[in-house]
Amino acid sequence: AQKITQTQPGMFVQEKEAVTLDCTYDTSDQSYGLFWYKQPSSGEMIFLIYQGSYDEQNATEGRYSLNFQKARKSANLVISASQLGDSAMYFCAMREVFAGGTSYGKLTFGQGTILTVHP
Amino acid sequence: EAGVAQSPRYKIIEKRQSVAFWCNPISGHATLYWYQQILGQGPKLLIQFQNNGVVDDSQLPKDRFSAERLKGVDSTLKIQPAKLEDSAVYLCASSPARRVIAGVGELFFGEGSRLTVL
Repeated sequence: AQKITQTQPGMFVQEKEAVTLDCTYDTSDQSYGLFWYKQPSSGEMIFLIYQGSYDEQNATEGRYSLNFQKARKSANLVISASQLGDSAMYFCAMREVFAGGTSYGKLTFGQGTILTVHP
Repeated sequence: EAGVAQSPRYKIIEKRQSVAFWCNPISGHATLYWYQQILGQGPKLLIQFQNNGVVDDSQLPKDRFSAERLKGVDSTLKIQPAKLEDSAVYLCASSPARRVIAGVGELFFGEGSRLTVL
């Protein structure tokens, strides 16, 4: 069974500063994918970044980067140069590629971290 | 490209009543998911379809929840009878099957249907 843990219920950051949102995961599979989503107060889930378990380099997408430490089973999201519009709930999620032949493709989500950006 | 469409956006019902939510995935996406998101929590998968077949419904409370995806396109999620603890946002998501099988590819989410059970 897979499990995603986000230990920070809430985080605060000053505008233009960088912030790291923590995510640890637990899986016995060798092949898996890690995702980060943003959920503003309006409710839609916005995909931010993806990291495959076999990717050797950390993923980056604009101001978002994923600090992937496979041995520690962590996949922290780093947001650089925070903006007021970054204030939202952030979810870490994992997908196992080979999940015993069933349930493949589904994302399992963590509890989320609320990020507040102060001007 | 049109996104995932869901309706209604909001629904308020009394407990023991029934409700249905509709989802139209992105054109060509074979995989469709229904997630339940209770306030302050992460989304939890209720059911996953591959075309019109169910891949995973292990967390669907089958005594009251049902879902179908006729013709492998639109999907309907029904709750009957509703309980207070069913108050949540019901999120529909879709993904191209080939990317799901490969393990890559994000899910594309709709805006959700917010249910309040009184």
